[in-house]
Amino acid sequence: AAGVIQSPRHLIKEKRETATLKCYPIPRHDTVYWYQQGPGQDPQFLISFYEKMQSDKGSIPDRFSAQQFSDYHSELNMSSLELGDSALYFCASSFGQEVLRAFFGQGTRLTVV
Amino acid sequence: DAKTTQPTSMDCAEGRAANLPCNHSTISGNEYVYWYRQIHSQGPQYIIHGLKNNETNEMASLIITEDRKSSTLILPHATLRDTAVYYCIVRVAGAAGNKLTFGGGTRVLVKP
Repeated sequence: AAGVIQSPRHLIKEKRETATLKCYPIPRHDTVYWYQQGPGQDPQFLISFYEKMQSDKGSIPDRFSAQQFSDYHSELNMSSLELGDSALYFCASSFGQEVLRAFFGQGTRLTVV
Repeated sequence: DAKTTQPTSMDCAEGRAANLPCNHSTISGNEYVYWYRQIHSQGPQYIIHGLKNNETNEMASLIITEDRKSSTLILPHATLRDTAVYYCIVRVAGAAGNKLTFGGGTRVLVKP
């Protein structure tokens, strides 16, 4: 069965550069979530989209933005990268609002040097 | 969403049942109990969820107390691949703010 696809899997950027992470949800899933996980930390919710509209917002820095496109894929744009942005970034998708059974991708490991 | 309390860590013998407790004493009537786990550096994985009744699937069983203030996740025959951080999450059904909040999970180590 198709899973959540994230690209790239690994990314190395320098400070002050920009990065774009992509997420392709499971077909027919209507909601996408983004999470950031620093070393030794729990996943922290950043932002979510339901039917291409922003649904909820967590601790996402102003330097980050995200959107969901007409084909339901989502992109997380990160500008003015800082060393502290180095983390695993997970995307997840789900279908429906009643029960939240989310499927997570394998993540993008971002390293800022 | 209601706050949950879990043990920080737990060891389990391979082949034995692992019983993971979770307290959620402030749970509301329309809040589900979810269990997810995260194997090292992988994306979190859904295990099971329940509202009032006990639930069982191919991965685990979920036992919810009658007053719904606590629950137990049971892995019937733990394997080394079950070593992970297990998160108990309580979340209202159909919420507009539909995130899952991860925190305070139990680090389970399955030993040979």
